[in-house]
Amino acid sequence: SQQGEEDPQALSIQEGENATMNCSYKTSINNLQWYRQNSGRGLVHLILIRSNEREKHSGRLRVTLDTSKKSSSLLITASRAADTASYFCATDQSYNTDKLIFGTGTRLQVFP
Amino acid sequence: DTGVSQNPRHKITKRGQNVTFRCDPISEHNRLYWYRQTLGQGPEFLTYFQNEAQLEKSRLLSDRFSAERPKGSFSTLEIQRTEQGDSAMYLCASSLDREKRNEQFFGPGTRLTVL
Repeated sequence: SQQGEEDPQALSIQEGENATMNCSYKTSINNLQWYRQNSGRGLVHLILIRSNEREKHSGRLRVTLDTSKKSSSLLITASRAADTASYFCATDQSYNTDKLIFGTGTRLQVFP
Repeated sequence: DTGVSQNPRHKITKRGQNVTFRCDPISEHNRLYWYRQTLGQGPEFLTYFQNEAQLEKSRLLSDRFSAERPKGSFSTLEIQRTEQGDSAMYLCASSLDREKRNEQFFGPGTRLTVL
């Protein structure tokens, strides 16, 4: 079963605009990761944020984590057409397992 | 290329046939994972290995599914007596160090179509 949900399910923006995607999850976590998936392909790891971190940056990406609300957000600044993809959050829930529990994904379309 | 590789990339089979997929992880990674992804959904965990030991299996992994990782290197996922509901993308991932809770690196996937 999937851990949580992402919001919105789909997002369409123009190049240069910022894109914000939200992820909610259900149980306590060790870390939360964001992945990108281009149509029909494998997942590319974007960024990992640990449960004791609140914000993390990587290039044009900014991730926040609010463990009290069991939610995370991914901000992509100055979007490009090449950012068009599906974005998934994934949680690492327990010290007893390494499996990732993925959300349902946000499909981002960036128009040139 | 030192990333995770999977073979074949596509597999079309008839219902009732057996299929086997292979995953070669990043060479120094000791953990290997299998996930399944259907259209419009996020990946769902199937099973994972630490070296050659299979540590966890999902309830999704029926007795028609078996995974192995002999010698702790590459892994195979076999599906026996395939059903149309097995049609999905099968993703393999590997990671290095559990204590550091590192990210998992995914391969390109094997897309299975059961006719």
